[in-house]
Amino acid sequence: NAGVTQTPKFRVLKTGQSMTLLCAQDMNHEYMYWYRQDPGMGLRLIHYSVGEGTTAKGEVPDGYNVSRLKKQNFLLGLESAAPSQTSVYFCASRFPRGGKNIQYFGAGTRLSVL
Amino acid sequence: GQQVMQIPQYQHVQEGEDFTTYCNSSTTLSNIQWYKQRPGGHPVFLIQLVKSGEVKKQKRLTFQFGEAKKNSSLHITATQTTDVGTYFCAVNTNAGKSTFGDGTTLTVKP
Repeated sequence: NAGVTQTPKFRVLKTGQSMTLLCAQDMNHEYMYWYRQDPGMGLRLIHYSVGEGTTAKGEVPDGYNVSRLKKQNFLLGLESAAPSQTSVYFCASRFPRGGKNIQYFGAGTRLSVL
Repeated sequence: GQQVMQIPQYQHVQEGEDFTTYCNSSTTLSNIQWYKQRPGGHPVFLIQLVKSGEVKKQKRLTFQFGEAKKNSSLHITATQTTDVGTYFCAVNTNAGKSTFGDGTTLTVKP
């Protein structure tokens, strides 16, 4: 039982390049989230999904796209990376409600855009 | 959208001193969660509070949910160096959205 797995762990991009961050969870969670965390700051919600085939915008969605084609996977795409997107990206997943609505986080992807 | 304000942003204490972080909302919350993030790590769930006035304890950690369900606190008694990290409060909506406070970063001087 791996929990939430993020790939890659580290990446360096040049301005304008594109990339996809992958999040996979094996806990059969309905909800999945992408956050970014900048140094000394909290977690800001980029996009989230409440089920396979659905996505919604969070607080800071501009410059990012997401897809949830399979329940266990949530992809975050950067079409044209900018230095302002240098950050640590965390994926999380949880059940919808009740006592099991704890968010489980991946280890994070550290992205630098030069 | 729903927002939670967390204070203080930073807290530096001597080992053995107590520590408290507060989370405040302008709206009534259905529940509130607390997470801890160690330096270089990822957030890890600590506890969830649901009932008005609820108090829960985990060893030296005491969590409270206000009577009006608009505020919450985390208190650590006699801090240890293992307590260092950033403590976040978080709220989930039934629609699935999640909001985290900005966190309180605790440093402990031995």
